[in-house]
Amino acid sequence: DAGVIQSPRHEVTEMGQEVTLRCKPISGHNSLFWYRQTMMRGLELLIYFNNNVPIDDSGMPEDRFSAKMPNASFSTLKIQPSEPRDSAVYFCASSSTGVEGTQYFGPGTRLLVL
Amino acid sequence: QQQVKQSPQSLIVQKGGIPIINCAYENTAFDYFPWYQQFPGKGPALLIAIRPDVSEKKEGRFTISFNKSAKQFSLHIMDSQPGDSATYFCAASKGGYQKVTFGTGTKLQVIP
Repeated sequence: DAGVIQSPRHEVTEMGQEVTLRCKPISGHNSLFWYRQTMMRGLELLIYFNNNVPIDDSGMPEDRFSAKMPNASFSTLKIQPSEPRDSAVYFCASSSTGVEGTQYFGPGTRLLVL
Repeated sequence: QQQVKQSPQSLIVQKGGIPIINCAYENTAFDYFPWYQQFPGKGPALLIAIRPDVSEKKEGRFTISFNKSAKQFSLHIMDSQPGDSATYFCAASKGGYQKVTFGTGTKLQVIP
C-alpha cells in the first residue's frame, strides 16, 4: 500500500495567489482529515470528511479556506487568496472506522506564502 | 479551548534514560487515547494507544500509564535510544474514533 499521498510536497507562492493542495487517501478508508501544523499553534484539525461528506469544518480558519472530496479517492484543500500567515505544513490523514480509527498521515505539504 | 494539555514542551535525556511525557484532558467523554510519533519532515504516525478501562499498556519499550480519576495519562520510553528522538503527541477522541484532539507536542532528544 502506498499510504496517503499528498501533492505537492512543497509550494511557494505569493500573497493573493490561489493554492490547491491535493490528497489521495488509503484505499478503503472512509474518513479523511485535513490538518495544519505550525510552531505556534501545533497540529490543528481543519476539516474532516466521512464517506465523502464534510462532517466538521469548525477548524477552517476563514472563508478563504475551502475543502472538497468529490470521490472516495481524492480531496482538495484550497486557499484563495493566500496570505503569509497561511504558511505551514498541511497534512492529510485517512482512517477506517471499525479499526479504532487509527489515522494514517501523509507526508505533508510545506506551504510558504511570500 | 485546549482540551488536551501536554508537557513538557521539550525534553533532553541521555541514551538509556526514561523520558516521561505527561498529558491531561478535560472532557470525560473521551474514550480513546493514542500517542503519535513524528520524525522531522514526516507526518505523525500512531505509536501506541490505550482505552480508559485499563491503567497501563506496554508495547516494546513504550508504556502508557492512565489515571482515569485524575484525567491524566503519560508515555514512558524505557531504555531510550537516539533513534527515539522525535516529537511526540498525545491525543484523545470520543465515540466513533473520528475526530482526534491533539496535545501540543513534546520534542524529545536522546543524546548518545
